[in-house]
Order: sequence, then C-alpha cells, then structure tokens
Amino acid sequence: DTAVSQTPKYLVTQMGNDKSIKCEQNLGHDTMYWYKQDSKKFLKIMFSYNNKELIINETVPNRFSPKSPDKAHLNLHINSLELGDSAVYFCASGSGLAGGVSDEQFFGPGTRLTVL
Amino acid sequence: GQSLEQPSEVTAVEGAIVQINCTYQTSGFYGLSWYQQHDGGAPTFLSYNGLDGLEETGRFSSFLSRSDSYGYLLLQELQMKDSASYFCAVRDNYGQNFVFGPGTRLSVLP
Repeated sequence: DTAVSQTPKYLVTQMGNDKSIKCEQNLGHDTMYWYKQDSKKFLKIMFSYNNKELIINETVPNRFSPKSPDKAHLNLHINSLELGDSAVYFCASGSGLAGGVSDEQFFGPGTRLTVL
Repeated sequence: GQSLEQPSEVTAVEGAIVQINCTYQTSGFYGLSWYQQHDGGAPTFLSYNGLDGLEETGRFSSFLSRSDSYGYLLLQELQMKDSASYFCAVRDNYGQNFVFGPGTRLSVLP
C-alpha cells in the first residue's frame, strides 16, 4: 500500500489557469505538509496542517491555498498560475510532534508542475 | 529564522567512507534529521538526532553536537546506489514546520 500518494504526477498548464494537486496519506498521521522543490533542488515548506491548525510559510503567495476535507487528505489549490510556479511539489505527512524519538516525514512521489 | 549549511557536492569511490556536514542556526532546536533523494524521486528519511551523539542505522550513521550547532551524516562502504542528494533538516522556531538545508549531491564512482 502506498503511504502517501499524490495526483497528478505531471501537470502542464498555461499561465493564468487554476489547478489543484491532490494528496492522501494512509498512515494515520495528524499532520500533513506541502513542499516546493525548485530547479536547484531547494526544498521549501509551504504549509503544515493538522486538524487544529494551519501554519503558512509567510513567503507563500496567497494564490496558493491548502484544503483538507479530512485528516487523510490535504489538497493544494493554485490560482492564476505564473511561470515561477513551475517546480516539483511534494506532499508529506508526519506525527507533527517536535522533540520525540523520531521526526520522520513520509513524502509523496511529487507532482511536476510546468507552467507555459 | 533558521538557516542550514551543507557542502554542495561530494565525490567518493565505491567502498569508501564519506561524511556530509551540516551546520545550523536556529532560535529553538528540536533535533536534526537527514533525508536522501535520488534524481526524480522523493526525499526519504534516513535518521534523526534529538540528543548529542551518534545514531547508527546499518551503513549510515548520524552525529549531533548541539553545543556546536553541528551534525554530520556518515556513509560507510559506499555503493553506487548511494549516489543521491542528501538533506539535513531542522524544525523552525515554533516547532511546527521544517527547514531543509540546500542539499549535498553525492557522486559515487566505480
């Protein structure tokens, strides 16, 4: 069974369009995350979300919005896509607890977004 | 804010030992993690150090010194399949989100 899954794997679209990426985890984790990895492989967190709190990285444009229908899903909606949004987007899940015996996050396979 | 530094590239031969260093600056510290990412793949968790000292998992070990704000990942008996990017990561000031280092690209030569 896939622990963290994302769809689609590839997404090619025009500037100005609105698109969504779906993420599901079957690990029973309380916290899910969205990351953006650019062409230089810098991995930057965009959001973390559990059923109580959404933490937004202040550098993320408000064109990006996470939507969580339930604890196992965290979808990413992007409005008015721009060329600079082209990147690989990873969903991840984890326990969300700091200072434990492990801090493991489980990553989805990624969605490669290309904006033309 | 948080910042992490790693070497951008490391090259070694099969069977060798390589150490990838990570220094960090944080306002609060909750532990140092390491991830491996092959080209075209997703990051996968390797190890976590919450306290000072060495953690060993098979051929991989990770070390942390909180007083020096420094850690390293040690890879022994290198194999070709270890060619990948390696990232260190810490939690942010609030302990909620993660900050990743810029990554170290390891190339293992035959």
